[in-house]
Amino acid sequence: EVQVLESGGGLVQPGGSLRLSCAASRFSFSNYAMSWVRQAPGKGLEWVSSFSGSVSNTYYADSVKGRFTISRDNSRNTLYLQMNSLRAEDTAVYYCAKGLSRLHYGMDVWGQGTTVTVSS
Amino acid sequence: NFMLTQPHSVSESPGKTVTISCTRSSGSIASGYVQWYQQRPGSAPTTVIYENNQRRSGVPDRFSGSIDSSSNSASLTISGLKTEDEADYYCQSYDGNVVFGGGTKVTVL
Repeated sequence: EVQVLESGGGLVQPGGSLRLSCAASRFSFSNYAMSWVRQAPGKGLEWVSSFSGSVSNTYYADSVKGRFTISRDNSRNTLYLQMNSLRAEDTAVYYCAKGLSRLHYGMDVWGQGTTVTVSS
Repeated sequence: NFMLTQPHSVSESPGKTVTISCTRSSGSIASGYVQWYQQRPGSAPTTVIYENNQRRSGVPDRFSGSIDSSSNSASLTISGLKTEDEADYYCQSYDGNVVFGGGTKVTVL
C-alpha cells in the first residue's frame, strides 16, 4: 500500500525553527510531486508548499514564503519542510501528500499528519 | 491568484442526493484539474475525486464530480446518502499555486 508518514512536529517558541519529515513508501517517489498542507485548529485545509517530481520546481504559499523551505531527498524517499521564524499562526496539523504525477499537484495519498504548536 | 468558494454546509436525509458547488473566482474552471477531498472528524483527508470526475480507487460510485464552464464551477454529487458520508469536503485546484476551497460540512440528518 502506498504510504506517506510525517514526523518532526512538536512545541516550539515563537521565532523558533522546526523541520518536518515525510517518509514515502511503495511508490516511485522521485517521479511524483509532493506537497505540504496544514490545518489550523477548527479551520480548513491550507496549502503550504509543493515540490515537483523529477525537476526541482518549488512553490510556496505567500503566508510562508521566505520562512519555510521545502526539499526532498529522492535517495531516502523523504520530503522535508524546514520551518523558520515560526509564528503563533503557524500552529496546525501538517499533512504530507503525494501528487497525482510528476507535475500534477492534485493530492492522491495523505499522511496522518504531525502537529506543530508555536507558543511561549 | 484565484479563490474557490464552497457553501459552508449542506444537509440531507439518508438515501437522498446532495451536490456541493465550488466556484472559481477568476480564470477558467477548466484551466486546472479539480480534486475533491473528504475529511471525517478527527481524521486526515482522503481523496474522493481527482481530475474533475475521476473516482479514486475504492470510492463508491455514489460519488461523482463534474465541472461547468458556464458557471465556472465544479460540483461534487453524493447520491444515496449514508451516515458514513457525514464529513467535511474540500475542493482543490491549481494554477501555478495550489488553492483549496473553504470546505463544506455535509450533515446526514
